[in-house]
Amino acid sequence: NAGVTQTPKFQVLKTGQSMTLQCAQDMNHEYMSWYRQDPGMGLRLIHYSVGAGITDQGEVPNGYNVSRSTTEDFPLRLLSAAPSQTSVYFCASSYGSNTEAFFGQGTRLTVV
Amino acid sequence: DAKTTQPTSMDCAEGRAANLPCNHSTISGNEYVYWYRQIHSQGPQYIIHGLKNNETNEMASLIITEDRKSSTLILPHATLRDTAVYYCIVRVHNQGGKLIFGQGTELSVKP
Repeated sequence: NAGVTQTPKFQVLKTGQSMTLQCAQDMNHEYMSWYRQDPGMGLRLIHYSVGAGITDQGEVPNGYNVSRSTTEDFPLRLLSAAPSQTSVYFCASSYGSNTEAFFGQGTRLTVV
Repeated sequence: DAKTTQPTSMDCAEGRAANLPCNHSTISGNEYVYWYRQIHSQGPQYIIHGLKNNETNEMASLIITEDRKSSTLILPHATLRDTAVYYCIVRVHNQGGKLIFGQGTELSVKP
């Protein structure tokens, strides 16, 4: 098992550009989520999904879109990048709502 | 969502037990306590979780008080590789089982 795979690992965007952060898991997990981590802070939940076709907002959803067309993939879209979205983004997955969540290694995004 | 309170930082001597406290006084009866750690801004790593009984695995032990308002993570023989930020989290099992991270405790294990 590869676990949770995030691509790319690093990305620099210009203000106003759009991009998609990819997240894939090969553990057949139903639950997937996206977090962002700003310097010196804990992770904050952006969006989450409890299964294919079902998504919901977390604490900081503004400026981000998600979709879940398959169990394996949960991409995060930045529609119009802003410097405030400079952060490290983590994707996580778990089998259920009360089982161990596995995290990817993160995508470091800089918006200039 | 139940909040957690942890000390900002702690030191521990290599080879000694590291005891990391956490307060979660507003925890609900069906909410679990989870512990994760993060090393050098890598993805968080699961350590252990529990509801009301004490738990032990190959990494750590989790002691939860009888009233469930606080808990302690114990690393029995800390090594330099245990230097990390440790997060105590009360997990909301509806709403996708979301993990609400606080600031965590920065544990420094010293030789």
